[in-house]
Amino acid sequence: GAVVSQHPSRVICKSGTSVKIECRSLDFQATTMFWYRQFPKQSLMLMATSNEGSKATYEQGVEKDKFLINHASLTLSTLTVTSAHPEDSSFYICSALTSGGFYEQYFGPGTRLTVT
Amino acid sequence: EDQVTQSPEALRLQEGESSSLNCSYTVSGLRGLFWYRQDPGKGPEFLFTLYSAGEEKEKERLKATLTKKESFLHITAPKPEDSATYLCAVQGGSGGSNYKLTFGKGTLLTVNP
Repeated sequence: GAVVSQHPSRVICKSGTSVKIECRSLDFQATTMFWYRQFPKQSLMLMATSNEGSKATYEQGVEKDKFLINHASLTLSTLTVTSAHPEDSSFYICSALTSGGFYEQYFGPGTRLTVT
Repeated sequence: EDQVTQSPEALRLQEGESSSLNCSYTVSGLRGLFWYRQDPGKGPEFLFTLYSAGEEKEKERLKATLTKKESFLHITAPKPEDSATYLCAVQGGSGGSNYKLTFGKGTLLTVNP
């Protein structure tokens, strides 16, 4: 149980274009999902908390207009990187929070974004 | 502010050589301490959640323990497939935390055959 998927697993885009990443909880409903970014050989950096039906909460220093988050259903959250630039190239990982007394985060497999 | 420190940063073992990874933490009202395993190019894989001091959990060759200040991940008779980065994270209970996790920097474990 507690499986989270991400799509796509890898994406290459040109500078100035936008890219959408999907995060789905496959076998449970998740009111809350999280988006992380991970640089090589570093730990996970939380970007934002996504709550179903409400606006996302962004961590300090994360540009909300560049990283658009939509949590339209209890099983799907999307991250759109707008007007992507090479410095946005990174490994993006989502997680979904279980409920019912045990608030555990289960992670997706990650999306490797390369902006050329 | 919640803080997590993992040691050592890297650990190299021979197959069958048991050892422990350490996770020291400071947190305002611990809701849970989490251990994850991460392989290169993949998302973290959930291993354990510990909720209170004295609690222990086991899974195959791994055993996690928790005190009020630290957690240990004991690896018994490791195999090469146990090679990965092991991440420790805490979930604090301070107001507005929204169940966020604070991660340590991880321990890179390499098990040689």
